[in-house]
Amino acid sequence: GAVVSQHPSWVICKSGTSVKIECRSLDFQATTMFWYRQFPKQSLMLMATSNEGSKATYEQGVEKDKFLINHASLTLSTLTVTSAHPEDSSFYICSARASPPDTQYFGPGTRLTVL
Amino acid sequence: AQTVTQSQPEMSVQEAETVTLSCTYDTSESDYYLFWYKQPPSRQMILVIRQEAYKQQNATENRFSVNFQKAAKSFSLKISDSQLGDAAMYFCAYTDFQGAQKLVFGQGTRLTINP
Repeated sequence: GAVVSQHPSWVICKSGTSVKIECRSLDFQATTMFWYRQFPKQSLMLMATSNEGSKATYEQGVEKDKFLINHASLTLSTLTVTSAHPEDSSFYICSARASPPDTQYFGPGTRLTVL
Repeated sequence: AQTVTQSQPEMSVQEAETVTLSCTYDTSESDYYLFWYKQPPSRQMILVIRQEAYKQQNATENRFSVNFQKAAKSFSLKISDSQLGDAAMYFCAYTDFQGAQKLVFGQGTRLTINP
């Protein structure tokens, strides 16, 4: 149980285009989902907290107009990177909190490369 | 603010031996959860073990066990009978019941298994 999927697993796009990443909890409902960014050989950096039916809460320094988050249902959250630039290239990971047991389960991640 | 510290950037162990990964944390809360997550080369974050702070008994999951010392704010992970598949980055994480229950991660420990 507690499976989280993420799609796509990798994407290459041109600078200036937008990219949407989906995160789904497959076998549980998640009122709260989280989006992380991970640079090589580093820990996870929380970007934003996504709550079903309400606006996302962004961490300090994260541009909310560049990283649009929508949590439309109890099983789906999306992250849209708008007007992507090469510096946005990274590994993006989502998680969904199952409660009980108050534990975050992670998706497999999306590798974004912006040319 | 809560912090999590993993003082061992890298560890190595012989296959079939036992290894212990260290983690300390800082919090003023009395009720919280602690986790160990594993990130293999695939970069999928996998939950290894979970500990509720109110439980005095140390959590165990097959070959994985923790030594939870609440007063010392220490949460180490012991891996017995190490296997090649245990090679990964291991992250210690903390969460409490404040707000969205965000995870606070340590810097990670890279574990190498020597055959």
